[in-house]
Amino acid sequence: DIQMTQSPPSLSASLGDKVTITCQASQNINKYIAWYQQKPGKAPRLLIRYTSTLESGTPSRFSGSGSGRDYSFSISNVESEDIASYYCLQYDNLPWTFGGGTKLELK
Amino acid sequence: EVQLVESGGGLVQPGRSLKLSCLASGFTFSNYGMNWIRQAPGKGLEWVASISSSSSYIYYADTVKGRFTISRDNAKNTLYLQMTSLRSEDTALYYCARHNYPGPFDYWGQGVMVTVSS
Repeated sequence: DIQMTQSPPSLSASLGDKVTITCQASQNINKYIAWYQQKPGKAPRLLIRYTSTLESGTPSRFSGSGSGRDYSFSISNVESEDIASYYCLQYDNLPWTFGGGTKLELK
Repeated sequence: EVQLVESGGGLVQPGRSLKLSCLASGFTFSNYGMNWIRQAPGKGLEWVASISSSSSYIYYADTVKGRFTISRDNAKNTLYLQMTSLRSEDTALYYCARHNYPGPFDYWGQGVMVTVSS
């Protein structure tokens, strides 16, 4: 199974900050990584697929990059509506596996 | 509008069974793979099972293999998860989610809670 090591587990940011979350896969996942946002009591929402492709409706302040085993997800100019937990997902190989999550809080 | 609505959750004793359903609308259900993904209280996400559009391919996480069965009825636009020999560690919010191979899970339901406790 591919392990996804996501860091940091939590992040404190001020409005307007840029924040970055990383996911490292235990093997090459060929850019098949997606990023989800989950707000309390809600289902996860797909923000980015295939490393850097933004879903319709995803604000342009969200971005993704990476290759091989190492990937990152960034939010530039953090807004209050971005306060949530974020998860990466590798969908290159079964079983599909998620990172442990990052909880973004306001400083 | 894509909608996925789960049902069938509840409180069940260890060792007993429960069957979840997910009613889909707003898209051609028979064209998409479907999945169950769960989230234990306060924890992260765990993929549980996947079924292809025509039920030709079915996959399970090792943690549920042999105990859970995923199935679908394309005529009823419904996905199922039959859960047997339930354990306390199966306690979670269970989401159904759509995917279009080779894509990720793009739409999710709101989830249904399963609590395994005596």
